[in-house]
Amino acid sequence: QQPVQSPQAVILREGEDAVINCSSSKALYSVHWYRQKHGEAPVFLMILLKGGEQKGHDKISASFNEKKQQSSLYLTASQLSYSGTYFCGTSKAGSYQLTFGKGTKLSVIP
Amino acid sequence: IAGITQAPTSQILAAGRRMTLRCTQDMRHNAMYWYRQDLGLGLRLIHYSNTAGTTGKGEVPDGYSVSRANTDDFPLTLASAVPSQTSVYFCASSDQGLAGVGEQFFGPGTRLTVL
Repeated sequence: QQPVQSPQAVILREGEDAVINCSSSKALYSVHWYRQKHGEAPVFLMILLKGGEQKGHDKISASFNEKKQQSSLYLTASQLSYSGTYFCGTSKAGSYQLTFGKGTKLSVIP
Repeated sequence: IAGITQAPTSQILAAGRRMTLRCTQDMRHNAMYWYRQDLGLGLRLIHYSNTAGTTGKGEVPDGYSVSRANTDDFPLTLASAVPSQTSVYFCASSDQGLAGVGEQFFGPGTRLTVL
């Protein structure tokens, strides 16, 4: 079942923060986050495994709440280069496939 | 070759025609995947292969077939194309570790239009 992402779209001014959520009704083993710029292929950001860990990547970080079956992506002090569509992909234990959400379109304006 | 490549870049196809989309990776990854991307629907898995010689069905496999004769190549075939198969197709590959599916590397995509 496809994970649900929220919001569907968000517009930010440079320097503002944003949170993108990814929820699943099924037990998750891992959550992946990817960013896709218009006309390009998705690019990997990070993987989180069950256990509630949090990861960071420059000013982009994420958490995984195993109890809620939810992951959140945090974008801090957004830059113009953060614009794009963000996808979460989820996997179950023992599976080597991802199921992606429909994406969240992030637009950062000056 | 560096990374993962796809061919053709784009194609316009008449309904009913057969078409093979090519995908090649040089990273020696075990797993390969085919996704289609349609506006508002995200990336949907068509078929996958965990290792050379094996394939499996994803969420939307109908009308598509794949083969994995070796580690590097993973072609996707549309036996008789229909307009609903108009989409952007992405091939991806990844290593598989103890933690399950690893980082997926995506090809540049093939834009297919079926008329």
